[in-house]
Amino acid sequence: EVQLVESGGGLVKPGGSLRLSCVASGFTFSTAWMSWVRQAPGKGLEWIGRIKSKSDLGTADYPAPVKGRFSISRDDSKNTLYLQMNSLKTEDTAVYYCTTGMVAFGFWGHGTMVTVSP
Amino acid sequence: SYVLTQPPSVSVAPGKMARITCGGNNVGGKSVHWYRQKPGQAPVLVIHYDSDRPSGIPERFSGSNSGNTATLTISRVEAGDEADYYCQVWDSSSDHYVFGSGTKVTVL
Repeated sequence: EVQLVESGGGLVKPGGSLRLSCVASGFTFSTAWMSWVRQAPGKGLEWIGRIKSKSDLGTADYPAPVKGRFSISRDDSKNTLYLQMNSLKTEDTAVYYCTTGMVAFGFWGHGTMVTVSP
Repeated sequence: SYVLTQPPSVSVAPGKMARITCGGNNVGGKSVHWYRQKPGQAPVLVIHYDSDRPSGIPERFSGSNSGNTATLTISRVEAGDEADYYCQVWDSSSDHYVFGSGTKVTVL
């Protein structure tokens, strides 16, 4: 059974940093393309970044709202995906989901809440 | 950047058919994927590659995609289908993923 378990969310002040983790099981993590998707309270889904498998160069890509502030990495030896978030803004307040897939997202974690507030 | 447009809400009586549209410039040339999200839960993939159902998704869910509109159809709607539904594509020109704004399906 595929499982994705996020952790690391919490309350942080504007300008602060936070690192989220996502532990994967039930599939071959090292060959998977992994993404982070967030959802602000009462709002829709927003893709915020993807990291390819190392066999596909392991590169990460980000949309404009988070580029330069967020960074995705992976540790295939630990089956773990990370999201480093710096220079956080109040508008980054959201539930952050870890998900997997190359073009569609077949499996999702339960999400972890990040609140950015003074 | 690429934009997907969905109606904010769709209402349907039990046992009837619900159609949720997803509009985008030449979206028919892309693969569209659909997700169902119930309150407090993570999204679930219900249709991928325009019309394919992942394992475990009922046959009542179907999809189509042509021209500037993709459509998710839910036949014989049940109370348990009440949820938010999102369409999504991978935009090859930017190598980014795009979600529609979401449609709330209400079962009357």
